[in-house]
Amino acid sequence: EVQLVESGGGLVQPGGSLRLSCAASGFTLSSYAMNWVRQAPGKGLEWVSYISSSSSTIYYADSVKGRFTVSRDNAKNSLYLQMNSLRGEDTALYYCARVAGRDFQHWGQGTQVTVSS
Amino acid sequence: QTVVTQEPSLTVSPGGTVTLTCASSTGAVTSAFYPNWFQQTPGQAPRPLIYGTTYRHSWTPARFSGSLLGGKAALTLSGAQPEDEAEYYCLLYYDATWVFGGGTKLTVL
Repeated sequence: EVQLVESGGGLVQPGGSLRLSCAASGFTLSSYAMNWVRQAPGKGLEWVSYISSSSSTIYYADSVKGRFTVSRDNAKNSLYLQMNSLRGEDTALYYCARVAGRDFQHWGQGTQVTVSS
Repeated sequence: QTVVTQEPSLTVSPGGTVTLTCASSTGAVTSAFYPNWFQQTPGQAPRPLIYGTTYRHSWTPARFSGSLLGGKAALTLSGAQPEDEAEYYCLLYYDATWVFGGGTKLTVL
C-alpha cells in the first residue's frame, strides 16, 4: 500500500526556518516525481514545488521561490522541503503528493505549519 | 499571474446530474493542461478523482467523469449521492508550474 507521511511542521516565528519531511513507503520513491502542495486554513489548495525522480528538474511557485528548497533522498525514501524566511502567509497544512506524469495520484495527510510571533 | 476559475458553489439533488467546470485565464483548456480533479471533505486530504482530462483512478466511482467542454475542463457527476457533498478542485499544468482552481463547494440537497 502506498503511504506518504509528512512530518516536521510546527510553530515558528516570522523570519524563521523549518524543514518538512515526507516519508514514502509501499513503493520505490526513486521511480516517481514528487510535489508539495499547501492549504491555508479555510482556503483552497496551492501548488508549492515539484522535484523529478532524479532531482534533475525542480520547479517552485513564485510565492516561495528563493525561500523554499525541495530535495529528496531516494535511498532513505524521503522527500524534504526546507523553508526559510517564513511569513504569516506560509501558514498552512503542507501535503506531499506522488506524481506519475502529470497525475497527482497519491497524497499524504499533511503537516501543519504555523508562522506567528 | 495565471488564474484558474471554478464555480464557487453548486447544488445538485440526490440522483441528479451536475457539471463542474475549470477555466483558465490564458484561454481554452486543452488536454495539454492535463486536468486533474480532486474531492476534499472536511479534515481530509484531497482525494484524486480524475487525471489526464478523462481518466478515472481505480477508486473513482463510475458516476464521475471528466471531459473538455466549451474550452474548459469539466467534471460531471451523474447520479449524485449524499456522500458526494464535498469541495472539488481542478488542477491545470502550465509548463513548469501547476495551478489549482479555487474550488467548488458541491451541496447534495
